Amino acid sequence: AQRVTQPEKLLSVFKGAPVELKCNYSYSGSPELFWYVQYSRQRLQLLLRHISRESIKGFTADLNKGETSFHLKKPFAQEEDSAMYYCALSGRPGGTSYGKLTFGQGTILTVHP
Amino acid sequence: DAGVIQSPRHEVTEMGQEVTLRCKPISGHDYLFWYRQTMMRGLELLIYFNNNVPIDDSGMPEDRFSAKMPNASFSTLKIQPSEPRDSAVYFCASSFSRGTNSPLHFGNGTRLTVT
Repeated sequence: AQRVTQPEKLLSVFKGAPVELKCNYSYSGSPELFWYVQYSRQRLQLLLRHISRESIKGFTADLNKGETSFHLKKPFAQEEDSAMYYCALSGRPGGTSYGKLTFGQGTILTVHP
Repeated sequence: DAGVIQSPRHEVTEMGQEVTLRCKPISGHDYLFWYRQTMMRGLELLIYFNNNVPIDDSGMPEDRFSAKMPNASFSTLKIQPSEPRDSAVYFCASSFSRGTNSPLHFGNGTRLTVT
């Protein structure tokens, strides 16, 4: 079974402070990990994926297979980062759960001025 | 492209009534997903289709829930009879398989309230 855990439902930081949204996963195989974001009054959308090793809007996330984690980080939070963030997992192509995206419970990030 | 289109945006119904949620995926996408969003559980995958065929419906909570995809451009999620605990936002999403997991494109969701 595949499972994603986001331990924090709410996270508040001040503008300019570092932020880390935690994500742990359980999967028997090689997963693909994603972060999705939902800004106020907008659709849920992809923020970044681990295979791309990219930085989007200043956010990065590193897959740590030893700790089965995929934490989302940003060194200096901005007010416009306030949103709901979801960590998600899927199996790799060729696997039984390829295409099936399982989400965590989500973390609401609030960045105060 | 208008993206994934869901209807209605809001649905308020009384307990025991039948509810039908509709989704039009992005043209050309071969995966379609139905998710339910609640504060307590976040985003739960209910069912997903590949090329109109249901692949995994293990997330469908009860027999009261059913989903169909009669063709590549339309899917429905039906709840019969509805109960207050079904109140949630229901999202439809679609994606296109191309050798790796492509991003899901979500609709705006249907906010269901069962009184």
